[in-house]
Amino acid sequence: ETGVTQTPRHLVMGMTNKKSLKCEQHLGHNAMYWYKQSAKKPLELMFVYNFKEQTENNSVPSRFSPECPNSSHLFLHLHTLQPEDSALYLCASSQVGGFRDEQYFGPGTRLTVT
Amino acid sequence: AQSVTQPDIHITVSEGASLELRCNYSYGATPYLFWYVQSPGQGLQLLLKYFSGDTLVQGIKGFEAEFKRSQSSFNLRKPSVHWSDAAEYLCTSNNAGNMLTFGGGTRLMVKP
Repeated sequence: ETGVTQTPRHLVMGMTNKKSLKCEQHLGHNAMYWYKQSAKKPLELMFVYNFKEQTENNSVPSRFSPECPNSSHLFLHLHTLQPEDSALYLCASSQVGGFRDEQYFGPGTRLTVT
Repeated sequence: AQSVTQPDIHITVSEGASLELRCNYSYGATPYLFWYVQSPGQGLQLLLKYFSGDTLVQGIKGFEAEFKRSQSSFNLRKPSVHWSDAAEYLCTSNNAGNMLTFGGGTRLMVKP
């Protein structure tokens, strides 16, 4: 596998369910990100992890809980979501170290909350 | 706070015609600027980037973009559009560590 992979690609869950999204990067990067892409809204940054430490939480509700066990894996744990949380969730990675390089994105998980 | 604006939500061009997608940014210093393309059901793929130096940058798939400081713009261009170019195009800037600010995107449709 190369690049950034995300599983599952599609997820339908009820408001009382608990599920997790997984992201894995095979690029040797040291930073990982979660973004939310809703219809008719710009891409929104949710969380940033640099060297496995969370450095940014963009006022995301606590029903979204990220986890970064190592520099290659990133999870987004979901519980008691709302229908407005239905969106495409994108994971990205980059190499951070004094140079603002581009981020590499995964294909996303299409989440539908019923 | 910095912002990125893409004034055109939808653009339709005929196959073979030229294309220009607009992007404006607001930031005091020169930001790092990127254009990404997103095909349906896919993640984002980097087309090109501008950090410094030559203001006309070449990217993949025949795209280019020109940085104009006086107009705070970074417009994306292609001389001849192909049907496979139909997608969502996202302009973004990075001027604070590794934080990206995205524009709202422009959806390109290509007529045969």
